Amino acid sequence: DTGVSQNPRHKITKRGQNVTFRCDPISEHNRLYWYRQTLGQGPEFLTYFQNEAQLEKSRLLSDRFSAERPKGSFSTLEIQRTEQGDSAMYLCASSPKIRVSNEQFFGPGTRLTVL
Amino acid sequence: QKEVEQDPGPLSVPEGAIVSLNCTYSNSAFQYFMWYRQYSRKGPELLMYTYSSGNKEDGRFTAQVDKSSKYISLFIRDSQPSDSATYLCAMSFSGDMRFGAGTRLTVKP
Repeated sequence: DTGVSQNPRHKITKRGQNVTFRCDPISEHNRLYWYRQTLGQGPEFLTYFQNEAQLEKSRLLSDRFSAERPKGSFSTLEIQRTEQGDSAMYLCASSPKIRVSNEQFFGPGTRLTVL
Repeated sequence: QKEVEQDPGPLSVPEGAIVSLNCTYSNSAFQYFMWYRQYSRKGPELLMYTYSSGNKEDGRFTAQVDKSSKYISLFIRDSQPSDSATYLCAMSFSGDMRFGAGTRLTVKP
């Protein structure tokens, strides 16, 4: 399977705990994006990497959220001191740099439930 | 006002019907327009992509962009029960992308 993969697929945690999600983009895709999606809404942009550089962060991304992409390959998204409002689907997408259209290919998502 | 407006539906049609899905937007800088299909509890899947104004056809799907009206459409011909999903419009001009809320479509056999 050469698509975008995300792990874990589901995560249930208690309020106040830290969680970390992983995304493996399509091989050779330079760009990697994180989105958050709540029920009945479209994905909301969180942050974006080109290779290992984090180029843009949304105002939605509070200090409790941090993302990394070491060596420009996989990426991790960590949420510290989780709150119930963090419950959502976290989506990762990747895009090849050569396509100016910014077509993005999404993974299956990680569904987070904060109790 | 949201940058991208999309009627969430739900929309229910009989099998074989022509489906019309639409989005409006406010940012004239958007140049790239996409439609994604999302099945329940799955990630969005890219269906169609168009650049600037015009039409693009792919099988039973046709995407239209009218930049002068800031209006985009997706038409599905001969709709099938397997088309039942949420359809998201998306648009971009640089690194990030803005999505509509999605229209939930049900095609009844």
